[in-house]
Amino acid sequence: GENVEQHPSTLSVQEGDSAVIKCTYSDSASNYFPWYKQELGKRPQLIIDIRSNVGEKKDQRIAVTLNKTAKHFSLHITETQPEDSAVYFCAATGGFKTIFGAGTRLFVKA
Amino acid sequence: SQTIHQWPATLVQPVGSPLSLECTVEGTSNPNLYWYRQAAGRGLQLLFYSVGIGQISSEVPQNLSASRPQDRQFILSSKKLLLSDSGFYLCAWTPGTYEQYFGPGTRLTVT
Repeated sequence: GENVEQHPSTLSVQEGDSAVIKCTYSDSASNYFPWYKQELGKRPQLIIDIRSNVGEKKDQRIAVTLNKTAKHFSLHITETQPEDSAVYFCAATGGFKTIFGAGTRLFVKA
Repeated sequence: SQTIHQWPATLVQPVGSPLSLECTVEGTSNPNLYWYRQAAGRGLQLLFYSVGIGQISSEVPQNLSASRPQDRQFILSSKKLLLSDSGFYLCAWTPGTYEQYFGPGTRLTVT
């Protein structure tokens, strides 16, 4: 079945450093790749997304890259801040279904 | 603007009891609706999705069921809860096949 693998499961960085989270997907029909941020006890919030016809997208300190040939996509956060600490989920959508990665717990140390 | 509601916010139920969780969306018509479950410290597991009234697709065989009696209402049910049903249940909607927006969630504890 469809699968999304996400790495690392935990990431600890110093404030101001960059953080990179990587995902791979199995369903070649996937054409939309969102990233969600979830703070403790709250709902996931969409932070950035990319569609299959684009290789890279940037929004201030956050960027996402997509390699459809390799079925890889990544989230890059630059100049990390303590408020970036949360769990981040990648996902891959094909048709009506979205499959989520297992999540990355990001700690940003002040 | 669109709003998604879920209730109840928290629920504690004994093993073997029934379950009914409700999700409604305002400000849109004919949304695609989804139920996810998130176990403690884990990712999101897709349970059901619906592209229209009465149309339900099940992703995981289990003791849960879903119904969509109205265009903007999605219900998750169980006749007999198991301990393993504990988790954070999230409803989500999308206007098409792209961005999904999540409701506030229901935290279910089965004792």
